[in-house]
Amino acid sequence: ETGVTQSPTHLIKTRGQQVTLRCSSQSGHNTVSWYQQALGQGPQFIFQYYREEENGRGNFPPRFSGLQFPNYSSELNVNALELDDSALYLCASSLMSGQGDNEQFFGPGTRLTVL
Amino acid sequence: DQQVKQNSPSLSVQEGRISILNCDYTNSMFDYFLWYKKYPAEGPTFLISISSIKDKNEDGRFTVFLNKSAKHLSLHIVPSQPGDSAVYFCAAQRNYQTGANNLFFGTGTRLTVIP
Repeated sequence: ETGVTQSPTHLIKTRGQQVTLRCSSQSGHNTVSWYQQALGQGPQFIFQYYREEENGRGNFPPRFSGLQFPNYSSELNVNALELDDSALYLCASSLMSGQGDNEQFFGPGTRLTVL
Repeated sequence: DQQVKQNSPSLSVQEGRISILNCDYTNSMFDYFLWYKKYPAEGPTFLISISSIKDKNEDGRFTVFLNKSAKHLSLHIVPSQPGDSAVYFCAAQRNYQTGANNLFFGTGTRLTVIP
């Protein structure tokens, strides 16, 4: 069973640039969620994709956007980067079956630094 | 608006003793609670969970207690081991008949187990 993988591991960008982060979900999972973890904080929900459609969104502006592909892998795109976007970006996959609780499995994250 | 709170940023415990990590929540719609453990440079790893219909769940050295009336849960680790040293996040999930099954995280407690 392959776990959740993310790329790249680290990334440095400058203010105003655009960035794309990638995530491969765990085998058999159909749902991908993205979280932002700022230094000293807990992960904050950005959005979730289920069967290639956005299924929910946290309190993040529209310059944060995403995609989910037919193989359930996903991208997070951030436009017009700001200094406060510097954080660890975590991807989590799960199998949403409508049965209630669903454990989410996290990747190792991408550390984004905006200068 | 922090709906899940961990008021102790850090905790130090002697090896072999009990570690108790606490978590409070404000949203009465939460019906599933999880604890994640995070090492540096890794994503959060699921540790143990509890449904709102239970008040206790045990898995080996780890026990989670839920007090719904107080909106409080705690994680007990007995006996504590040096390998338990990590940041522990409390997370909560709403009943997601529709919409995302995203997690709401606390800010984490850094546990240090002293040999």
